[in-house]
Amino acid sequence: DSGVTQTPKHLITATGQRVTLRCSPRSGDLSVYWYQQSLDQGLQFLIQYYNGEERAKGNILERFSAQQFPDLHSELNLSSLELGDSALYFCASSVGQARYEQYFGPGTRLTVT
Amino acid sequence: TQLLEQSPQFLSIQEGENLTVYCNSSSVFSSLQWYRQEPGEGPVLLVTVVTGGEVKKLKRLTFQFGDARKDSSLHITAAQPGDTGLYLCAGVNTGGFKTIFGAGTRLFVKA
Repeated sequence: DSGVTQTPKHLITATGQRVTLRCSPRSGDLSVYWYQQSLDQGLQFLIQYYNGEERAKGNILERFSAQQFPDLHSELNLSSLELGDSALYFCASSVGQARYEQYFGPGTRLTVT
Repeated sequence: TQLLEQSPQFLSIQEGENLTVYCNSSSVFSSLQWYRQEPGEGPVLLVTVVTGGEVKKLKRLTFQFGDARKDSSLHITAAQPGDTGLYLCAGVNTGGFKTIFGAGTRLFVKA
């Protein structure tokens, strides 16, 4: 158990809908990262927050947004969902910024039908 | 754009065999991490290497960081079915603000 929690574990929704994925980092960690992993693909970095502020952006679509709240939990919002958005979404946390090891949550499996 | 290339992409071996997987880049990294991921689960950190030429051992796993800090290798001795999984390397850029993941090596160890 990494100490990072993600909810929900599974999510099935229809195209065009909007969903919110939630992540709670390990106690004491200030950075949260979001990744997308499609079937048999590597991890695609989406976005990073550090102590409430956006610090780095990867290949995140404009339909996706995220935020980190004062209690350091983070939410990833996915809107106007398409079939191709079906994937595993992982959250990771670290003590500081990117130079520190990341600890991953169990992931949310999103299925868009 | 910094890229990390992992090879081989897929490896299927018999229990007891040795193997090495590679992680290569043309860029210099301040540190490099190796993770193992099992199907449907999140990656689990195995090791971090920081110094050029550094070698770290974790039971039957040996990790090495290249002298120029551009590449790394993971060697597994006497592989076991429990070693099956996706092995990911991740490099932290020299500015320390970005982590780049390789596409992974999928290892299958047959009993």
